[in-house]
Amino acid sequence: GENVEQHPSTLSVQEGDSAVIKCTYSDSASNYFPWYKQELGKGPQLIIDIRSNVGEKKDQRIAVTLNKTAKHFSLHITETQPEDSAVYFCAATQKDSNYQLIWGAGTKLIIKP
Amino acid sequence: DTAVSQTPKYLVTQMGNDKSIKCEQNLGHDTMYWYKQDSKKFLKIMFSYNNKELIINETVPNRFSPKSPDKAHLNLHINSLELGDSAVYFCASSLTRSGANVLTFGAGSRLTVL
Repeated sequence: GENVEQHPSTLSVQEGDSAVIKCTYSDSASNYFPWYKQELGKGPQLIIDIRSNVGEKKDQRIAVTLNKTAKHFSLHITETQPEDSAVYFCAATQKDSNYQLIWGAGTKLIIKP
Repeated sequence: DTAVSQTPKYLVTQMGNDKSIKCEQNLGHDTMYWYKQDSKKFLKIMFSYNNKELIINETVPNRFSPKSPDKAHLNLHINSLELGDSAVYFCASSLTRSGANVLTFGAGSRLTVL
């Protein structure tokens, strides 16, 4: 079945620097790749997503890139701010389970002042 | 108005007890989910209902029983609670059953079994 690996598990960056979180997937038929942000004490919330017919998508300081050949996608956050501190999850759809989401293990992003 | 609301937010109980968590969404979505998040933050889907029909039933002990009286509500009942059931349980909803839809999560219900 589909497997989504997410790295790193913890990422600490200086405020103002960039942060990159990477995910790899195994199902070549995966066609949708969302990123969710979970702040302390809250449920995950979608921050950006990308579909398999697009290589890159940007929304202000957040961008996602997709490399279908290598089967990996990445979240890029530029000019990090304290409010970016959270746990970030990637996910990918799995064809075998009727395109339900398979989740990465999460990355705890710490922004140092 | 909260889009996906679940109650209670905190639940502390003894081993062997039975408890329920309720969830309601006012988004008009067709599909609702229960996720379990353990202490390491792993998100694991447990169940999904589409318009009151069970469509995802992952490998979960049969002590867990979901119920969807209508498409806006999905409740989770847990019998004979065990220590390992301690976790945060998230309800979520999406417009349709396709995995390529945005999930809207509730704030979570933290269950502690003593």
